[in-house]
Amino acid sequence: EDQVTQSPEALRLQEGESSSLNCSYTVSGLRGLFWYRQDPGKGPEFLFTLYSAGEEKEKERLKATLTKKESFLHITAPKPEDSATYLCAVQSLTGGGNKLTFGTGTQLKVEL
Amino acid sequence: NAGVTQTPKFRVLKTGQSMTLLCAQDMNHEYMYWYRQDPGMGLRLIHYSVGEGTTAKGEVPDGYNVSRLKKQNFLLGLESAAPSQTSVYFCASSWIPRNEQFFGPGTRLTVL
Repeated sequence: EDQVTQSPEALRLQEGESSSLNCSYTVSGLRGLFWYRQDPGKGPEFLFTLYSAGEEKEKERLKATLTKKESFLHITAPKPEDSATYLCAVQSLTGGGNKLTFGTGTQLKVEL
Repeated sequence: NAGVTQTPKFRVLKTGQSMTLLCAQDMNHEYMYWYRQDPGMGLRLIHYSVGEGTTAKGEVPDGYNVSRLKKQNFLLGLESAAPSQTSVYFCASSWIPRNEQFFGPGTRLTVL
């Protein structure tokens, strides 16, 4: 059974204070690992897909990396507008229909 | 393009009542999904569809039914609502062969 564990559950940063969110996973053959951002009362918004160990992707202040057991979402010099819940999900090579298994998320709060 | 839309946004039901949630997408996606999101549980897949006229069970299908009569629409039905079905419901869609799923804004359902 595919499993995704995210840590920490919650994180408070000062504006400009860089940090990383962790996503540990177990899957029977990784087809892809996905990062989403979710604002309160809204649906998840797609950020990145990573397909193989060593792959990295960047978008503004966010950078996602992937190893064979975990993924990190690095946030460089965050701003208050980066406050949100960040979700990680995996898709297995054996899963049909593009099914995703989600973690419970990291709630990020960036303060002035 | 509106992307993925869901109706209604909010609904309150009494135990035993029935209702249908509607999801529509204008991106010509083949795959569509219904998830529920509960505190501390993450997003869990209820049912999904790999194309018009097809449906399949996800992780938590009991108490729900779905239909995909048109490619752009995916309906989720509750025949006899129970308090355990109080949740936020999200619809999502994705292309073939790209894997990222695009989510709707959600429906907040309360069953009394």
